[in-house]
Amino acid sequence: GENVGLHLPTLSVQEGDNSIINCAYSNSASDYFIWYKQESGKGPQFIIDIRSNMDKRQGQRVTVLLNKTVKHLSLQIAATQPGDSAVYFCAENLSPGANNLFFGTGTRLTVIP
Amino acid sequence: EAGVAQSPRYKIIEKRQSVAFWCNPISGHATLYWYQQILGQGPKLLIQFQNNGVVDDSQLPKDRFSAERLKGVDSTLKIQPAKLEDSAVYLCASSPEGQPYNEQFFGPGTRLTVL
Repeated sequence: GENVGLHLPTLSVQEGDNSIINCAYSNSASDYFIWYKQESGKGPQFIIDIRSNMDKRQGQRVTVLLNKTVKHLSLQIAATQPGDSAVYFCAENLSPGANNLFFGTGTRLTVIP
Repeated sequence: EAGVAQSPRYKIIEKRQSVAFWCNPISGHATLYWYQQILGQGPKLLIQFQNNGVVDDSQLPKDRFSAERLKGVDSTLKIQPAKLEDSAVYLCASSPEGQPYNEQFFGPGTRLTVL
C-alpha cells in the first residue's frame, strides 16, 4: 500500500503550549484523511477529519491542515493539556468511497506538567 | 450508546495453537473491520465486512487467519495455527452506513501474545 509516515516519532511539549504533529502521505489519489488519538490500552479515538477539497478544518482545540502540493498533513493542538498525552496517528483513505483506512506509524506526544 | 465490545482483552498462547477473538459492533453499524496493530506501529486492516459480506480481505493471511460475520452483527476472527509474529493487538471497529466516509469507532482491542 501507499506510505503514510510521520516526521517525528516522539514529541514533548510543556502544558499550555501548542503542539504540532506532522504526517506525510504519498498517495495523491487519497481524498480523505483522519487523525486518531490512542491512549495506552485503548483503541484509537477519532479526533478530526478532512477531505481533500479542503485545506483546513478546525475543531475544539484542534486544527488539521492539508497541503496537497507537498502531500503533507498536520495536527495542531492548542493549549496542550496532560490528557492530550497519547500516540497520534494520521490515516488516509486509499479507496475513495470504500472507507478503507491506511494508518501511519504514529507520534507519541508527551505533555510535561 | 454502548461502544464496540471485544473479548477477551488479553490472550497468551503457544505457537501452533489456535485462538479466536470476538467483536460486538455498535448497534446498527453495518460495516465492521478487523485490524492488526503490532507494537509501535499503526493499525493494519485485515478484513472489512459490509453486513455479512466481505468487502476487502486482501491483507488477511488466509492460510492461517479466518473471519466471519454470519448474521451481520457479531464477528469472530480466528488464527490457526498461530505464529510468533502474530503477537499484536487485534482491534475491531465499526461504522454506520449511508455516507461515503464515516467515522470508524474502535473497540479496546485484544492483546495476543504468542510464545
